[in-house]
Amino acid sequence: TQLLEQSPQFLSIQEGENLTVYCNSSSVFSSLQWYRQEPGEGPVLLVTVVTGGEVKKLKRLTFQFGDARKDSSLHITAAQPGDTGLYLCAGDSGTYKYIFGTGTRLKVLA
Amino acid sequence: GAGVSQTPSNKVTEKGKYVELRCDPISGHTALYWYRQSLGQGPEFLIYFQGTGAADDSGLPNDRFFAVRPEGSVSTLKIQRTERGDSAVYLCASSWRGGPYNEQFFGPGTRLTVL
Repeated sequence: TQLLEQSPQFLSIQEGENLTVYCNSSSVFSSLQWYRQEPGEGPVLLVTVVTGGEVKKLKRLTFQFGDARKDSSLHITAAQPGDTGLYLCAGDSGTYKYIFGTGTRLKVLA
Repeated sequence: GAGVSQTPSNKVTEKGKYVELRCDPISGHTALYWYRQSLGQGPEFLIYFQGTGAADDSGLPNDRFFAVRPEGSVSTLKIQRTERGDSAVYLCASSWRGGPYNEQFFGPGTRLTVL
């Protein structure tokens, strides 16, 4: 069974701080996606990474796929209250089915 | 509509009852997914449709759960003899086609509470 573990599970920081969220597995994934979910809504896709070692930037968010395609990280620079939410990674083993991680709940205080 | 819609948004039922949850995908999307999300957890895959057929139902927990998509658009998730452990948010997602690298668009979910 493929599992994706995220750390930390919870994170509460002040506005302006930097943070990194990790997504780890013992399995290899063909691609990995990051989502953000707000209360009462479904997850919204932020990025898809497909190549080992790939780095993608989305404004203040930097995503990295591990060389072995077993892990990924999300780094947020100068966090803002609008970044508050549940961050989810989801891995695909080459089929249509994505396995979601356990989630990291981020709260950014003004 | 502009996005994926799900009805009802909330459903409260008693243990042992039957419930149906509806998903309206984005028009033209051939792939449709159902997930279940427990409090504080990531979504758990239940079933995937490509067109009218269930391409993979390996995530359905047991035979009390069943889903249909008779015309390749709207889908209904059906749960018989509900149990308290079925309480969760049920999410539906659609994508233009199935397979990797295709963005899934999620609906807001149906919160099911079994008393």
